[in-house]
Amino acid sequence: DVVMTQSPLSLPVTLGQPASISCRSGQSLVYSDGNTYLNWFLQRPGQSPRRLIYKVSNRDSGVPDRFSGSGSGTDFTLKISRVEAEDVGVYYCMQGTHWPYTFGQGTKLEIK
Amino acid sequence: EVQLVESGGGLVQPGGSLRLSCTASGFTFSNYWMSWVRQAPGKGLEWVANIKEDGSDKYYVDSVRGRFTISRDNAENSLSLQMNSLRVEDTAVYYCVSNTWKNLESWGQGTVVTVSS
Repeated sequence: DVVMTQSPLSLPVTLGQPASISCRSGQSLVYSDGNTYLNWFLQRPGQSPRRLIYKVSNRDSGVPDRFSGSGSGTDFTLKISRVEAEDVGVYYCMQGTHWPYTFGQGTKLEIK
Repeated sequence: EVQLVESGGGLVQPGGSLRLSCTASGFTFSNYWMSWVRQAPGKGLEWVANIKEDGSDKYYVDSVRGRFTISRDNAENSLSLQMNSLRVEDTAVYYCVSNTWKNLESWGQGTVVTVSS
């Protein structure tokens, strides 16, 4: 199975400041069709996960543009340009390139 | 608006069986792969199984293969997960999730499965 490693696991951030989460995969996530199937999800406290980003850098409808995804191959990053109170929760990266799909351990973002 | 509503969770003894269901609305169900993803108490997310749009292909994580069976009824916009030989470690919230090819998309609210004697 492809291991997904996130860092940091805990991320205290001051409101209005930027935040960055790293996600590294144990092997390349480039699929034979040329796409890279790396998603980012946010799970707010007491809620189901919600997808923010698909295929590395594509924001889902309704996701604020302060969220951005980047990376390639085995190294990926989710950035929040200015953290707001509603951004609190656990962020997960997930790869769909290889079976089985696998998730990172999660990064808990909290407000300092 | 996409809606995925799971049902069928509950308390079951080790070795027992349970059948989860998911009813979909707000999108063309037959055009989507569908997955089950679970989350053990206080833990992260684990993809469990998925099924192709027409039900012809199914994939499972190793830990459930041979015990769980995923199925769908496109006429009823429904997804199911038959879980047999349940183990304590299967205790989790089970989410129904729509997929496009290799991308998980929309999630239901989840149904709780507890395996305990």
